[in-house]
Amino acid sequence: AQSVAQPEDQVNVAEGNPLTVKCTYSVSGNPYLFWYVQYPNRGLQFLLKYITGDNLVKGSYGFEAEFNKSQTSFHLKKPSALVSDSALYFCAVRDMRGSNYQLIWGAGTKLIIKP
Amino acid sequence: DAGVIQSPRHEVTEMGQEVTLRCKPISGHDYLFWYRQTMMRGLELLIYFNNNVPIDDSGMPEDRFSAKMPNASFSTLKIQPSEPRDSAVYFCASSDPGGVETQYFGPGTRLLVL
Repeated sequence: AQSVAQPEDQVNVAEGNPLTVKCTYSVSGNPYLFWYVQYPNRGLQFLLKYITGDNLVKGSYGFEAEFNKSQTSFHLKKPSALVSDSALYFCAVRDMRGSNYQLIWGAGTKLIIKP
Repeated sequence: DAGVIQSPRHEVTEMGQEVTLRCKPISGHDYLFWYRQTMMRGLELLIYFNNNVPIDDSGMPEDRFSAKMPNASFSTLKIQPSEPRDSAVYFCASSDPGGVETQYFGPGTRLLVL
């Protein structure tokens, strides 16, 4: 079965420190992987995606993610956290079955950046 | 473009009443998705359309839920009759054929059924 796991419900980081939000996946074939962010009382916003190519993907707001095929992971990273990065982060993988265009979503990780 | 537009932003209703949520996707996008978000169940895909045709409605929780897309610029999600357990935030998202995985979300409708 295709699935996405975000093992941490919450991640706490001090402002200025590097941050990592973890994501692992289980999918048949080559994965299409995504990160979205949700600020309070807002819809989700696309951050970045991996389809093919360089394992390090750069996205919006200084975020990047590293695709690791052997570990089936796609962790979200940022070198220096800002208080404004505090939000809910979702990892997703495209359902590759047939022509299905659904995204399979992780449960989300709440990121709290403390001043 | 104004982005995905949803209305109403907030809805409070009593159990048994009919609720209709509305969505206008981004112009030119031909995929439209309806999601429900709750603390307990997270983000759930209810149904999605391609070129106004429902492709997968397996996430629709029960027959009380129905969705339509009469044209490329409008979709509705209807709950009849509503129940307290339907209380959630409902999101609409759209994407274009060149980037179906990049979904653009609306601001959501926060529904409270009393």
